[in-house]
Amino acid sequence: DSGVTQTPKHLITATGQRVTLRCSPRSGDLSVYWYQQSLDQGLQFLIHYYNGEERAKGNILERFSAQQFPDLHSELNLSSLELGDSALYFCASSVEGVYGYTFGSGTRLTVV
Amino acid sequence: DQQVKQNSPSLSVQEGRISILNCDYTNSMFDYFLWYKKYPAEGPTFLISISSIKDKNEDGRFTVFLNKSAKHLSLHIVPSQPGDSAVYFCAAANTGTASKLTFGTGTRLQVTL
Repeated sequence: DSGVTQTPKHLITATGQRVTLRCSPRSGDLSVYWYQQSLDQGLQFLIHYYNGEERAKGNILERFSAQQFPDLHSELNLSSLELGDSALYFCASSVEGVYGYTFGSGTRLTVV
Repeated sequence: DQQVKQNSPSLSVQEGRISILNCDYTNSMFDYFLWYKKYPAEGPTFLISISSIKDKNEDGRFTVFLNKSAKHLSLHIVPSQPGDSAVYFCAAANTGTASKLTFGTGTRLQVTL
């Protein structure tokens, strides 16, 4: 157990639907990162939150949004889902300035 | 634009031998580099890192080498063990401007008996 908890582990949904992925960071970590890994691809950076504030955005689609709550857990919302959104979504956390993130085990999203 | 490249999708090495995983980058602003290991159904796990002010960093069986002029880094595992079989991701950061990591596509290492 890495200390970063992601739920659910698996999600199957239909095109056009909306889903929410949840992440609880490791205790003491204020930074939360979201990454997407499509088939045979590297991890693509989506967004970074630090203590509730958005710090950086990657190639995140407008249909996707995220937030970090006062208790530091984070949610990634994916709407108007398309087949191409099927991927593994990883959350990672860290303390400020540390690049050796701790990753969760991911949520596997399948859009049918 | 793939700024971090791992050109070998897979590598097979015998137990006890050296495993060498390679990574190239194109962004000269990257100044911190990391290797992660990933087992199936798990998230990536941080393995070892190196700052651009160094050319080598060692941690037990794992050594990372950085050649800045060639924009190339490598991970050496000596000796390789069956438990090292996993996907290895190279990652890079520009610590001056952003906290995000840019990842390569990974190399699947299989250590055979």
